[in-house]
Amino acid sequence: DTEVTQTPKHLVMGMTNKKSLKCEQHMGHRAMYWYKQKAKKPPELMFVYSYEKLSINESVPSRFSPECPNSSLLNLHLHALQPEDSALYLCASSPFEGGGIEKLFFGSGTQLSVL
Amino acid sequence: DQQVKQNSPSLSVQEGRISILNCDYTNSMFDYFLWYKKYPAEGPTFLISISSIKDKNEDGRFTVFLNKSAKHLSLHIVPSQPGDSAVYFCAANDSGGGADGLTFGKGTHLIIQP
Repeated sequence: DTEVTQTPKHLVMGMTNKKSLKCEQHMGHRAMYWYKQKAKKPPELMFVYSYEKLSINESVPSRFSPECPNSSLLNLHLHALQPEDSALYLCASSPFEGGGIEKLFFGSGTQLSVL
Repeated sequence: DQQVKQNSPSLSVQEGRISILNCDYTNSMFDYFLWYKKYPAEGPTFLISISSIKDKNEDGRFTVFLNKSAKHLSLHIVPSQPGDSAVYFCAANDSGGGADGLTFGKGTHLIIQP
């Protein structure tokens, strides 16, 4: 299995809703990432988990809450989002073995619309 | 301040010719560079990478060149095919910094004309 699987592919939510994005990989990768991408912009790093521990939080608002239940799963919990949070949310994983090189493999993303 | 720059927002190339996409970086700590291809509403797909100990890496129709002294890399696609039409992102990594993700350029939209 050489894929990073993200669900759902599309999500529409109101500003008072609570929802979760899910990501799964079975490649034995030890680093997992959440990126946010707006149209015509590059992906922006949100969070990094390394060996199931949160290692990077790029000053993301608390309405986004990441969770790494085990080495294969990564969740992003969403609560009280704003319309400007509408974007493509990308999950990625990386082997991150000796040498520290990060070669990221991305999922197909969740297209989120906040109404 | 942008650490990875792709100064051409778009590039149009005739089918069968060579496509050359350029990327510049400012952070001297970057030592691993990657190119990704992306279609709208999909995740980026890894294409090719190069370590700073090399100056060239080739994979089929794709070749990446790295000029460390100029802090410049380029992706060559030859021959260009219609399926190559997509947005191409250059990305960089500091392998000594722990798991801290990739820094992306703004992307170049490559259009292959028939």
